[in-house]
Amino acid sequence: LAKTTQPISMDSYEGQEVNITCSHNNIATNDYITWYQQFPSQGPRFIIQGYKTKVTNEVASLFIPADRKSSTLSLPRVSLSDTAVYYCLVYSSASKIIFGSGTRLSIRP
Amino acid sequence: EPEVTQTPSHQVTQMGQEVILRCVPISNHLYFYWYRQILGQKVEFLVSFYNNEISEKSEIFDDQFSVERPDGSNFTLKIRSTKLEDSAMYFCASTTDRVGGYSGANVLTFGAGSRLTVL
Repeated sequence: LAKTTQPISMDSYEGQEVNITCSHNNIATNDYITWYQQFPSQGPRFIIQGYKTKVTNEVASLFIPADRKSSTLSLPRVSLSDTAVYYCLVYSSASKIIFGSGTRLSIRP
Repeated sequence: EPEVTQTPSHQVTQMGQEVILRCVPISNHLYFYWYRQILGQKVEFLVSFYNNEISEKSEIFDDQFSVERPDGSNFTLKIRSTKLEDSAMYFCASTTDRVGGYSGANVLTFGAGSRLTVL
C-alpha cells in the first residue's frame, strides 16, 4: 500500500483558493488518488478521485503530474464551511483502504 | 442519495460488557467495512468484509472483535468484552465491487458513526 504524506494543518481565509499537496512516491501503476473530507463527528465523505492530469468536479480540482508521485487538491474560493480534515488516499484494491493522518484545514473570516 | 445507516448513534457501556454496533449498508454494495476513530486521532481501518467473509483485518481487530452479516442487510460489529480504550467513534462504510473494466478505484460511503463510551 502506497504511503502518503500531507501537511498536518493549513490555515486560510474565506474567498481564497486553497491547495493541499500530497506526496505518494510509491504509488503503483493501478492505484488511483482519492480525497476525502471529514467534518467533526461525521464520517469521511468522498470529494474527488483521479489517475493522472487534471480532474474537476463541482467541489474541487485534482492536479496530478505525469510521474504521479504527488497530487494537489484545489478548493476554489473557500468558505468557513470548508473547515475540515482532508485525507489523501492512494489505492486500487477495495479490500484494505487506509487513511493517513490528513490535513486539518482551518478557514478564517 | 443512498445512505449507510448506523445504530445506535451513541452507546454508553461498562467495561467488560459486550457491545453490538449495527450498520445497514447501501443495498447494491458488496464490500463492507468498519473503521474506528479515537477522539482527535485519525480514522483507523479495522476490517473489511466481502462475500460473507472477512477480506482483510488490521492488528487492532483482535479476538475481542467479530463481524457478521446475519440477514443480508445488516452488518454488525461485536466487541466481546469492552475496555476503556475501546471508547471511540465507530464508522461503517460500504462500496460496490467494481470489476471487469471499470475505470476507477472504489469510493467509500460512510455512515454517521456510532459513538461508544466505555466507563
